[in-house]
This record gives sequence, C-alpha cells and structure tokens, in this order.
Amino acid sequence: AQSVSQHNHHVILSEAASLELGCNYSYGGTVNLFWYVQYPGQHLQLLLKYFSGDPLVKGIKGFEAEFIKSKFSFNLRKPSVQWSDTAEYFCAVDGSGNTGKLIFGQGTTLQVKP
Amino acid sequence: GAGVSQSPRYKVTKRGQDVALRCDPISGHVSLYWYRQALGQGPEFLTYFNYEAQQDKSGLPNDRFSAERPEGSISTLTIQRTEQRDSAMYRCASSPSTGLRNYGYTFGSGTRLTVV
Repeated sequence: AQSVSQHNHHVILSEAASLELGCNYSYGGTVNLFWYVQYPGQHLQLLLKYFSGDPLVKGIKGFEAEFIKSKFSFNLRKPSVQWSDTAEYFCAVDGSGNTGKLIFGQGTTLQVKP
Repeated sequence: GAGVSQSPRYKVTKRGQDVALRCDPISGHVSLYWYRQALGQGPEFLTYFNYEAQQDKSGLPNDRFSAERPEGSISTLTIQRTEQRDSAMYRCASSPSTGLRNYGYTFGSGTRLTVV
C-alpha cells in the first residue's frame, strides 16, 4: 500500500533560520506530489505541487520542494522562515493516475519563534 | 459560493445516533472529495465524486459510512450508529476538473465530529 512518511513531527526554529522538512513516499509508479499548509484556525491550502518536468518546484511564500525520484523524496525547503510560517505542513502523494485521491503524511508542526 | 462550505462546523452526538455532514463545493466544481483527519494525523481519504458519480469509496471504513452527491453539487456524508472511534475532523475538498494537474483542491473548514 502507498504511504507517506514525514520524519519531523514538531520543528521549532527562530526567525531567519533555514527550513527543510522531510517527506518520503512508498510507491513505485508515477506519482504526483504535493505540500499543503494549515495555518492556525484556517483550512488546508496548497503550497506547491509536482507533476512532471523540473524536479525543483517553487511554491507560494518562498517555499520550494525538490523531487528526488531515486530517494522517493519530496522535501520542502525555505531559506529564511518568518514567524507567520508557523503552521502545520502536510506532504501528500497521488499515485492513482491523477484522480486526486491523495495519501497524506501525518504532518509536521512548525513553530517559528520571533 | 466563494469557497467550500461545510456544515455543521461542530457536531457532538451520542453514540449510536446517525449524523449527516454536508459539503457545499465551489459552484461548478466537478470533483468532490471527503477526508477524515484524526488528531495528530494527516487527512485520510474516504471517497470522491466526479459530478454525481461516486468514483471511489475504498476509503470508507465500513458500511456505516456512506456518501452521496445526487445532483452533482452538494454532498452528504452519513455515518450511521456512530461510535466513539468516529470522532475526527471530516474535511471536504473540491476541484474544477478531474485530477489535480491544473488546479489542485480547495478545502473547506471541516466538521469536527465528537461522539460521546
């Protein structure tokens, strides 16, 4: 069965620190990959997605993610975090042929200290 | 509407009661998805529709769970004879087209179900 693993459950950073959140998936076929964010009190929002092409994907608010097929990974990065990046981050995989049926990781809570 | 609307926002019910959770997608959105999210976990797929047709219900945990979207717009997720383990956030999402290549989902705010 497909699964998604997010290694860091709770990350605490100071403002201006660099961020990297790990995401690995288990699926041997073609996958579409996503990162979603949930800010406190808000609904889930799409940060970025990868379908094909350049494995380095840029999203909103300065986030980017790199798809490394050989490592089954899709790590999220941001060079310099802000207090407003405090949120929960979810990696997700669609291995169902682009039906939109997503398998989510368990999430990483990011706390940025001012 | 402007976004995906879910109602009620919060529902507390007694064990054994039936509950109906409603999702009103963005007008014109073709695809509608239901997810369940337990505390400390990521969303877990339940079922999805393209128009009024239920395409995949493999994520529904058992036959107490059912969903419909009779006119291809509003959807209802029904849980019969609720149990405490059904307590979770139930999330709905919609998309303008089948698949997520061009658009991605828009999620609603969710319904927090508590079974006591």
